[in-house]
Amino acid sequence: EVQLVESGGGLVQPGGSLRLSCAASGFTFSSYWMHLIRQAPGKGLVWVSRINTDGSYTSYADSVKGRFTISRDNTKNTLYLQMNSLRAEDTAVYYCAKDLTGGHDSWGQGTLVTVSS
Amino acid sequence: QSALTQPASVSGSPGQSITISCTGSSSDIGGYNYVSWYQQHPGKAPKLMIYDVIKRPSGVPNRFSGSKSGNTASLTISGLQAEDEADYYCNSYTSSSTYVFGTGTKVTVL
Repeated sequence: EVQLVESGGGLVQPGGSLRLSCAASGFTFSSYWMHLIRQAPGKGLVWVSRINTDGSYTSYADSVKGRFTISRDNTKNTLYLQMNSLRAEDTAVYYCAKDLTGGHDSWGQGTLVTVSS
Repeated sequence: QSALTQPASVSGSPGQSITISCTGSSSDIGGYNYVSWYQQHPGKAPKLMIYDVIKRPSGVPNRFSGSKSGNTASLTISGLQAEDEADYYCNSYTSSSTYVFGTGTKVTVL
């Protein structure tokens, strides 16, 4: 069974940094692209970033480009999101999701990031 | 990248069929067959219902079907059931090598 477990969320001040982790199990992690998607409280889903199988290619939404960095460690079956220069509008539940061509077929339960002073 | 446009709400009675539209542009929906649909119940993670415009993952009832015409994709739920009451989001790959979600549609079963 595919499992994705996010961690690392919490309360951070504006301008601060946070690193999220997503531990994967139940599938060959190194064979799949991975995505990060967020959802502000009471709002819709927003795609954030994706990374290819070996970490050599990444892409980002304009709203986080230059501030967030996605990476992965295939030896630890873990996906990471380094978030810098955080803003109030980055407050959201962050989900990791496994790639399926044309979609995202497995999602974690999400981790809440709150940016507030 | 602006969000794809979905109706805010759609409702139907049990057993009826409803269709949710998702409108984008030639840079996303119209340019690629990488449209997917997600169901999200309150407090839960989204669940993939349709991918590659028309494909259904195993375990998803065949009451759910997808289609696309030009820059608009659609999700149809036939034989509406109480458990189908949820939020639904479309998603598309874009010409910027990114993805974009729709604004979301709340489905109410009357």
